[in-house]
Amino acid sequence: NAGVTQTPKFRVLKTGQSMTLLCAQDMNHEYMYWYRQDPGMGLRLIHYSVGEGTTAKGEVPDGYNVSRLKKQNFLLGLESAAPSQTSVYFCASSYSGHREKLFFGSGTQLSVL
Amino acid sequence: AQKITQTQPGMFVQEKEAVTLDCTYDTSDQSYGLFWYKQPSSGEMIFLIYQGSYDEQNATEGRYSLNFQKARKSANLVISASQLGDSAMYFCAMRESPSGSARQLTFGSGTQLTVLP
Repeated sequence: NAGVTQTPKFRVLKTGQSMTLLCAQDMNHEYMYWYRQDPGMGLRLIHYSVGEGTTAKGEVPDGYNVSRLKKQNFLLGLESAAPSQTSVYFCASSYSGHREKLFFGSGTQLSVL
Repeated sequence: AQKITQTQPGMFVQEKEAVTLDCTYDTSDQSYGLFWYKQPSSGEMIFLIYQGSYDEQNATEGRYSLNFQKARKSANLVISASQLGDSAMYFCAMRESPSGSARQLTFGSGTQLTVLP
């Protein structure tokens, strides 16, 4: 079972470059999320989606954009990368409902120089 | 105010002993869920246990149990008979009722557990 797949696993960018992180899930989940993880700060929500064609801002959305054109895919874009965006990025998905756990991808280590 | 507070940045426990990891939360919703995840050094997020706000009994999953005290707004994770493989970062998280903007899982800052041989 593939579950939640993130690509790429590692990336190094120069300040000002752009990139897109891809998240794909094969569990027919309605909800999808992008989190970033920084030391001592846990996971912070960047953007999320509650269905195909919908997106919403999380706790730290500035500098990121997202799209969910297909139910199984959730893309995270950085238009002009900054060193402050150096982090580990996790994608997750779930069914709707407060009892539903999140399934996580394996993470993307992004460094912005 | 933080929604999830984990006051123990690091904890040590002797192998085979029990350990409690603290978690307090803040919500005005009556319906919510509490989760614990484990993150080993390899980086993946592993779901451990879930407690619903209306669940009458404390959740248990193998060696993991949740000490849920609703009036105190605490959801402490208890790991019994610690093993070396339990050394990891542990995150407490809350999911409020699925209405409006409260559809995300909010995480605490984590507790790094080290099991000593």
